[in-house]
Amino acid sequence: SAVISQKPSRDICQRGTSLTIQCQVDSQVTMMFWYRQQPGQSLTLIATANQGSEATYESGFVIDKFPISRPNLTFSTLTVSNMSPEDSSIYLCSVEDSVYGYTFGSGTRLTVV
Amino acid sequence: QQQVKQSPQSLIVQKGGISIINCAYENTAFDYFPWYQQFPGKGPALLIAIRPDVSEKKEGRFTISFNKSAKQFSLHIMDSQPGDSATYFCAAGGRLTGGGNKLTFGTGTQLKVEL
Repeated sequence: SAVISQKPSRDICQRGTSLTIQCQVDSQVTMMFWYRQQPGQSLTLIATANQGSEATYESGFVIDKFPISRPNLTFSTLTVSNMSPEDSSIYLCSVEDSVYGYTFGSGTRLTVV
Repeated sequence: QQQVKQSPQSLIVQKGGISIINCAYENTAFDYFPWYQQFPGKGPALLIAIRPDVSEKKEGRFTISFNKSAKQFSLHIMDSQPGDSATYFCAAGGRLTGGGNKLTFGTGTQLKVEL
């Protein structure tokens, strides 16, 4: 299965600032997914990122708050903009290895103070 | 609207016992049902998965039972070990409107296996 590297692994940020999370995959993949996992909660899909097109956002998530880049088939970034304490979560990158085979990165643990 | 319901929220099992976690889904378009295991500080890792054309799948100590008519599926962990202590998520997969596939996750079950 694909190997995913996420950076940073954790960060503590001031409210009102922005953080960009990087996701690097060791193989070319068509679709990359960004999830949010709030403390003690399940995973919620934020958006799907295809290379060369605009990301598709799930209900409740907007591009202005979570802009995504997908410059090539092995890399993507998620920015959490104008952060508030409610944005404190684990953010996970995922790729689809094969039909329905999903691999997750170790996540970025974000704390907003 | 939550589409995948998971229970129990937490579970304590004695070493050597059977751990059972249940999930129910609503959307009949789902056609892939994986279980993920997550340890603290790590991303979820695929444990076992099933498609609706079979009623049971077994891999080692882990078994998925699937009831298509009831729209339910469950994970059984036989001979549970302390190393199995983790959070388990069920999920259901379906096609995205724009193509590709999407997973919807259950709320998670925190399993603790005691000696």
